[in-house]
Amino acid sequence: AQSVTQPDIHITVSEGASLELRCNYSYGATPYLFWYVQSPGQGLQLLLKYFSGDTLVQGIKGFEAEFKRSQSSFNLRKPSVHWSDAAEYFCAVGPRQGGSEKLVFGKGTKLTVNP
Amino acid sequence: DTAVSQTPKYLVTQMGNDKSIKCEQNLGHDTMYWYKQDSKKFLKIMFSYNNKELIINETVPNRFSPKSPDKAHLNLHINSLELGDSAVYFCASSQAWAAEETQYFGPGTRLLVL
Repeated sequence: AQSVTQPDIHITVSEGASLELRCNYSYGATPYLFWYVQSPGQGLQLLLKYFSGDTLVQGIKGFEAEFKRSQSSFNLRKPSVHWSDAAEYFCAVGPRQGGSEKLVFGKGTKLTVNP
Repeated sequence: DTAVSQTPKYLVTQMGNDKSIKCEQNLGHDTMYWYKQDSKKFLKIMFSYNNKELIINETVPNRFSPKSPDKAHLNLHINSLELGDSAVYFCASSQAWAAEETQYFGPGTRLLVL
């Protein structure tokens, strides 16, 4: 069965520092890959997604993610974190072949930004 | 204008009661979803409707009954509420029924069962 692992439950960085959030997936074939962000008390918002082509994907709010097939990873990065980036980040996978078409989410990584 | 809205935002109720959560999207999407987010922030799909037709029905107790009166609305009715139902329930929608579609989430309904 497909699964998504976000190894880091909680990460703390200083404002202005770089950020990398890890995501690994287990799936028969390369799935569709997503990163969503959930700000406190809010719903989830899509940051970026990968379907095919260039393995470095640009998203909103200055985020990017790199797909690495050999490592089954889709890590999220940002070169310089802002205080407003403090939120919960979810990696998700969706099946590429027909079927249930449902997204499977990781358990999330909570990002704290220190001033 | 809010794209996906849910009411109520907060819901506190006693065990055994019946309650409903409403969801509306003004994006013109065909597909709508209900997710449950537990206290550890784990997000899991419960139901999905496409063009008012039930597509996904995960292993959810039959006390939970979704209803889609039209493509823009997906409501969730819960009978005989239990303590374990306490969670945040998110409604979402997408343009079409496909794994690659972006899902747009509502702000969530925080349900507390006492």
